[in-house]
Amino acid sequence: GENVEQHPSTLSVQEGDSAVIKCTYSDSASNYFPWYKQELGKRPQLIIDIRSNVGEKKDQRIAVTLNKTAKHFSLHITETQPEDSAVYFCAASNREAAGNKLTFGGGTRVLVKP
Amino acid sequence: KAGVTQTPRYLIKTRGQQVTLSCSPISGHRSVSWYQQTPGQGLQFLFEYFSETQRNKGNFPGRFSGRQFSNSRSEMNVSTLELGDSALYLCASSTGTRYPDTQYFGPGTRLTVL
Repeated sequence: GENVEQHPSTLSVQEGDSAVIKCTYSDSASNYFPWYKQELGKRPQLIIDIRSNVGEKKDQRIAVTLNKTAKHFSLHITETQPEDSAVYFCAASNREAAGNKLTFGGGTRVLVKP
Repeated sequence: KAGVTQTPRYLIKTRGQQVTLSCSPISGHRSVSWYQQTPGQGLQFLFEYFSETQRNKGNFPGRFSGRQFSNSRSEMNVSTLELGDSALYLCASSTGTRYPDTQYFGPGTRLTVL
């Protein structure tokens, strides 16, 4: 089955700096890659996603890149703010084979220091 | 639209007991997926229900089961509870038919097994 690895597990950045989180996946048939943000005590919320036919997607300060050949994808947060502090999860799915099953990475705890 | 709701929000049970958790999806959504979240194992997929049928299943023992009703509400049941079942149980709803199919998470049910 699919396996997703996520690095780093913790990330501390100064406010205004950029943060980068990287994920690798094992199943070359995976075709959908969402990123979720989970604040303490809250539910995971989708912040951005990318399909396998797209190499990069951007939404304001957040961008995701996908390298299908290397089977890895990354989340980039620019101009970080204290409210970006949370745990971020990457995930992968193969819609045709596994419906809505998401395989998650282990999570990255991001701390933005003022 | 109202978001995904889960009841109860907190549960305390003892080993050997059984428990039933409920999830009400966003109106119009026909797919409900269940995930277990623990500090050690992260977010793990339990199963997905679509139009009252289990569409996919994760690698959990048969003590974990679920069902979906005609109004798309879903329940999951855990029988013969073990200490290791203590976790946050999250459900996520989606249309079940779109691609990509964004999954929206509920607030979760925090289960503690003593």
